[in-house]
Amino acid sequence: SQELEQSPQSLIVQEGKNLTINCTSSKTLYGLYWYKQKYGEGLIFLMMLQKGGEEKSHEKITAKLDEKKQQSSLHITASQPSHAGIYLCGARLSGGYNKLIFGAGTRLAVHP
Amino acid sequence: DAGVIQSPRHEVTEMGQEVTLRCKPISGHNSLFWYRQTMMRGLELLIYFNNNVPIDDSGMPEDRFSAKMPNASFSTLKIQPSEPRDSAVYFCASSPQGALSVNEQFFGPGTRLTVL
Repeated sequence: SQELEQSPQSLIVQEGKNLTINCTSSKTLYGLYWYKQKYGEGLIFLMMLQKGGEEKSHEKITAKLDEKKQQSSLHITASQPSHAGIYLCGARLSGGYNKLIFGAGTRLAVHP
Repeated sequence: DAGVIQSPRHEVTEMGQEVTLRCKPISGHNSLFWYRQTMMRGLELLIYFNNNVPIDDSGMPEDRFSAKMPNASFSTLKIQPSEPRDSAVYFCASSPQGALSVNEQFFGPGTRLTVL
């Protein structure tokens, strides 16, 4: 969706390197969801952020939502081949129904 | 918990044929969503239901597409007649509590549809 811009489109990193994926909206986000997808499979939920300035971590993945609630970043520390896949951000752009729009995704490859 | 179940996983059909995709949401979830994913357009919401009632079908491409949810444990997405441009991966997702909740959506494995 053009309402939600993800960058970069693709990323190739060496195992052990850190990386960041960004998700930006021109509108206020009422909820921001990060998912991971492997080829041929469904989306796996990673984290949800709602409040401005909120930050959550799970293992080596940290997600933040900025104070204005228009941008989120996903940071992976010491990347591993198991982190490879497509990362998608999904967002609620209104306070109403739980309807999500998704970014185009970031394709991540981690080389050993 | 078996998660969201979709069938078939793969479907190959010829243009003009009717296609029916099936979804069983996670037990107890009140909201159900149908998405389509293509390289060109990414992941798009087609329609979503809350308590078996269609809430928003503005994403349904055209009249050839229809979706039903006859009960809380089953939904179908039908394409009739199918066209090659309908080729995509179709995902079903469900979410607990009401459609006004902020809970995450749980996705099924998808149905890869190829229309020749």
